[in-house]
Amino acid sequence: GQQLNQSPQSMFIQEGEDVSMNCTSSSIFNTWLWYKQDPGEGPVLLIALYKAGELTSNGRLTAQFGITRKDSFLNISASIPSDVGIYFCAGQLYTGANNLFFGTGTRLTVIP
Amino acid sequence: DAGVTQSPTHLIKTRGQQVTLRCSPKSGHDTVSWYQQALGQGPQFIFQYYEEEERQRGNFPDRFSGHQFPNYSSELNVNALLLGDSALYLCASSLGGPGGYTFGSGTRLTVV
Repeated sequence: GQQLNQSPQSMFIQEGEDVSMNCTSSSIFNTWLWYKQDPGEGPVLLIALYKAGELTSNGRLTAQFGITRKDSFLNISASIPSDVGIYFCAGQLYTGANNLFFGTGTRLTVIP
Repeated sequence: DAGVTQSPTHLIKTRGQQVTLRCSPKSGHDTVSWYQQALGQGPQFIFQYYEEEERQRGNFPDRFSGHQFPNYSSELNVNALLLGDSALYLCASSLGGPGGYTFGSGTRLTVV
């Protein structure tokens, strides 16, 4: 099955710094999604990308769908304490099979 | 507008027992998917239900079964529980097209 690798596995940053994380896959996806998960909660959708090369923003978050369709990155600008959590990328094929394949996650800690 | 609701929140079962988890999708959503999230990992797709039928299945044994009711709510059943079935079980709903799913907060299952 598809394997999605996220890097880095964890990050410790100062409040106000920018953050960058990425996700690579061994297979092509038609949709890339970024989710954030807080402790004891389910993942919450942050950004969805539907086209290779697409760059999409949601407030302080920016994500891009890689041209090869095998990668994506997420940037967070001017981090704040509530950005703490685990960030997951997810790929979706949607060629009859539209389930999500999740990455390994990036744990973000923001130091006030 | 209620999101995805899951019950129970937590559950402790003994090895060999059977368990049923329940999910009500977000209002307006007709597709329900179930994911298993082991500690420290990303969610893994179990199966998806649409129009009361299993439409897709991930790499999980037949001990995992499900059902979708006419009101779109769903159940996940796991028979002959193993210690390795201990995980957070997430229900996600959607309209079935490409894009992100709305996740519930999950049911934390502990098998002892």
